[in-house]
Amino acid sequence: DGGITQSPKYLFRKEGQNVTLSCEQNLNHDAMYWYRQDPGQGLRLIYYSQIVNDFQKGDIAEGYSVSREKKESFPLTVTSAQKNPTAFYLCASSIAGGLLETQYFGPGTRLLVL
Amino acid sequence: KNEVEQSPQNLTAQEGEFITINCSYSVGISALHWLQQHPGGGIVSLFMLSSGKKKHGRLIATINIQEKHSSLHITASHPRDSAVYICAVHPISSGSARQLTFGSGTQLTVLP
Repeated sequence: DGGITQSPKYLFRKEGQNVTLSCEQNLNHDAMYWYRQDPGQGLRLIYYSQIVNDFQKGDIAEGYSVSREKKESFPLTVTSAQKNPTAFYLCASSIAGGLLETQYFGPGTRLLVL
Repeated sequence: KNEVEQSPQNLTAQEGEFITINCSYSVGISALHWLQQHPGGGIVSLFMLSSGKKKHGRLIATINIQEKHSSLHITASHPRDSAVYICAVHPISSGSARQLTFGSGTQLTVLP
């Protein structure tokens, strides 16, 4: 079955620690995205990538970093510079990142700060 | 003011009722999406609209580009329809992959 997987489902971060959220897709999609969801707010874009080895900042990239070394994988690192990391993180992909494309979402990772 | 506003924020209905969720936006768009987020957090795309009306099973989505408004209707609602319904728009100014702007969602609870 094709789809997007995210791991872990829950992640705990200690103060000052960097943590990495995994996102993998086997849909052969070129474009991948990371969103953050906070209660009562719409999803906000953190980073997106339209092709391997290339990525662009979204609206709230500060305190986050990404890499896109493989087409299937787009890991997100929440760095210690992100002062309010507690949120639900969603990864998505689409065929080519163009207009009028459907984005397919993963199941999400909930990040909590200890 | 958010670019995408949804109403109501919360909606409780009895099984079998006809449900309407509204979405208004303030920017020119090339497309509008309706998404469904289940209690576990996973999101499923329901519709993508750029004009008119689309129907899939008991779900109907309409859009009025001139009025910058879209509605999602659910006929013969069922408890399994309970979820958060999210409206998202693709602004014309956003260029290629430049992204969807999301509403904050409508929490629907359908009681048996």
